[in-house]
Amino acid sequence: SAVISQKPSRDICQRGTSLTIQCQVDSQVTMMFWYRQQPGQSLTLIATANQGSEATYESGFVIDKFPISRPNLTFSTLTVSNMSPEDSSIYLCSVGRMGDREKLFFGSGTQLSVL
Amino acid sequence: AQSVAQPEDQVNVAEGNPLTVKCTYSVSGNPYLFWYVQYPNRGLQFLLKYITGDNLVKGSYGFEAEFNKSQTSFHLKKPSALVSDSALYFCAVRDPQRSGGYNKLIFGAGTRLAVHP
Repeated sequence: SAVISQKPSRDICQRGTSLTIQCQVDSQVTMMFWYRQQPGQSLTLIATANQGSEATYESGFVIDKFPISRPNLTFSTLTVSNMSPEDSSIYLCSVGRMGDREKLFFGSGTQLSVL
Repeated sequence: AQSVAQPEDQVNVAEGNPLTVKCTYSVSGNPYLFWYVQYPNRGLQFLLKYITGDNLVKGSYGFEAEFNKSQTSFHLKKPSALVSDSALYFCAVRDPQRSGGYNKLIFGAGTRLAVHP
C-alpha cells in the first residue's frame, strides 16, 4: 500500500484567491493523479502529474486554472487559481504503482469551500 | 464511450442481512472493473478488482463482487452487513484507451450504503 498525506484537509477561501494543495507519498510511485469530487457527485480526473514535465490535463481542465507541480517521485501540488464558488469541491490526490497498475491509492482529500 | 452506472443513490440494509450494491458497465473490449469505498472524511479505499479469471472476486472487509458479462454487471455483495460498512461506494472501470501504465479510472456516481442496527 501507499500512505498519502494531503494538506490542507480543508479550507475556506475567498473568491479570487488561490489555494495550493500538497500531496506527499511515503514511497516512490509511478503515477500521481488529481481528482475532483463535487458535492453529491462522482470523481472526475483533473490531470496526471508528470515528474519533471508538464502535467497532462483532461478535457475541461486547463493549466492556468489548475497548475500542477511534481518535482520528484513522492510529491505533487495542485493549485486552484482565481477561485470562484463553483470550485468548491473535494480535491483528491491519487497514486499508482507500476507493480500494480490497476490499483489506485487515494489521499484523504482537501475539502475546499469558496465564499 | 466507457462508462459505469450505479442505479441506486442509496441502499438501506439491516445489520446482519446480506447486501448488494449494483453496478453496470459499458466498455469496448475486456473490462477492468473496480470497487472503492469512501468513509466519512476519508479518501477512497480500494476494495476489489476484476481483471480476468473467476467471475466471483473476493476483496477487503468480507466484500465480494460478481462479474456477469452477459448482463454487463459487477455487483458488490456481502453476506452479512455491519453498521461499520455504512459508507459511500464507487464502482469504476479502467479506460482501455489509456495504456502504458496510465490508469484513468471512470467512476460511477456512487451509492450510499446505510446499515441500520
